[in-house]
Amino acid sequence: AQSVSQHNHHVILSEAASLELGCNYSYGGTVNLFWYVQYPGQHLQLLLKYFSGDPLVKGIKGFEAEFIKSKFSFNLRKPSVQWSDTAEYFCAVRGNTDKLIFGTGTRLQVFP
Amino acid sequence: NAGVTQTPKFQVLKTGQSMTLQCAQDMNHEYMSWYRQDPGMGLRLIHYSVGAGITDQGEVPNGYNVSRSTTEDFPLRLLSAAPSQTSVYFCASSTRGGPSPLHFGNGTRLTVT
Repeated sequence: AQSVSQHNHHVILSEAASLELGCNYSYGGTVNLFWYVQYPGQHLQLLLKYFSGDPLVKGIKGFEAEFIKSKFSFNLRKPSVQWSDTAEYFCAVRGNTDKLIFGTGTRLQVFP
Repeated sequence: NAGVTQTPKFQVLKTGQSMTLQCAQDMNHEYMSWYRQDPGMGLRLIHYSVGAGITDQGEVPNGYNVSRSTTEDFPLRLLSAAPSQTSVYFCASSTRGGPSPLHFGNGTRLTVT
């Protein structure tokens, strides 16, 4: 069965700083990987996804993620964060079944 | 353009009471699922369904029942609520297939006293 680890539980940054959030998954076969964002009081929204092809995936709001198969990783990056990026970020993996398994999330706080 | 609709938005139950959380989607999605979200634990999959008449257990199914009589609806039943079931519950749906992203409802905040 697939599983996901997000090692950064809480990240605090100043505006304009660069961001990298870690995501490692466990699954032996072909995977589909996702990053979701949850703004305070809201439901989850898709940031980006990887399913095949170019391992560098670009999403909305300037976010990108790189799939490194040899490291079982799918880290999320943004060159310059804004206060409005304050949210919780979830990595998720889908293997050869339909179910999507989420990590425990990373809470990001960005200060002006 | 409703998407995924969950009701109620808030609910308070006493220990031992039963209730059903409703979830409906109007996107003709075959796949539907229920998650619970707890601080520090992310979203954990309770039950899921790949079509009418087909359901399966997720990571934390104990204490919850589901059924899928139509493509549109996927209710979650708590037979005898416990304080450990205090949580925020999200319903989500998608088309089948690996890259299909989930579409989430707005959530139900449940408190069991």
